[in-house]
Amino acid sequence: DPKIIQKPKYLVAVTGSEKILICEQYLGHNAMYWYRQSAKKPLEFMFSYSYQKLMDNQTASSRFQPQSSKKNHLDLQITALKPDDSATYFCASSQGQSSGNTLYFGEGSRLIVV
Amino acid sequence: GQQVQQSPASLVLQEGENAELQCNFSSTATQLQWFYQSPGGSLVSLLSNPSGTKHTGRLTSTTVTKERRSSLHISSSQTTDSGTYLCAIDRNSAGNKLTFGIGTRVLVRP
Repeated sequence: DPKIIQKPKYLVAVTGSEKILICEQYLGHNAMYWYRQSAKKPLEFMFSYSYQKLMDNQTASSRFQPQSSKKNHLDLQITALKPDDSATYFCASSQGQSSGNTLYFGEGSRLIVV
Repeated sequence: GQQVQQSPASLVLQEGENAELQCNFSSTATQLQWFYQSPGGSLVSLLSNPSGTKHTGRLTSTTVTKERRSSLHISSSQTTDSGTYLCAIDRNSAGNKLTFGIGTRVLVRP
């Protein structure tokens, strides 16, 4: 059974619309992250949370808003979608937030913006 | 420029052959990790190796921190090893914020 559940797996959205990507982890981890993988680009760090608090934000645009309603949840709300937002969004978690803690990734949510 | 560079970009192996993947990074790293991304896209951590040599199964990683490079050796390759191998560094020990390379795509033929 997958320990990090991401929903939806695939998503097609219209430019200008708003979507929420869901992530739940059942590993008992304290830190959660969002990464993005666009076509032909390296996997890119977006956000990190520890104990439901935002620790780091590398996303320039405020259109991307993480939301943590529970310790094991970290959703990603994206507003005013643009075609450039098309990518696979990976949620990840680790036991602790410090460097060296193994990252576990979800299966990803593939977003296409038309 | 790219902070993490991986070579070769792609590699084709005959089953049973060995392979060596390279990772060079342009800034100091407190952590270095190798990941495997399956053809379906899922990501799995293989090894965490900030310095020295580490082994797991048929994989050996050697990192020379001062020279800002790491290698991943795959021995006796199998068709199930096909996929993309990603190198990632963490420049800040306070946070698990990884900078990834674009990866080396490996195809192992039967």
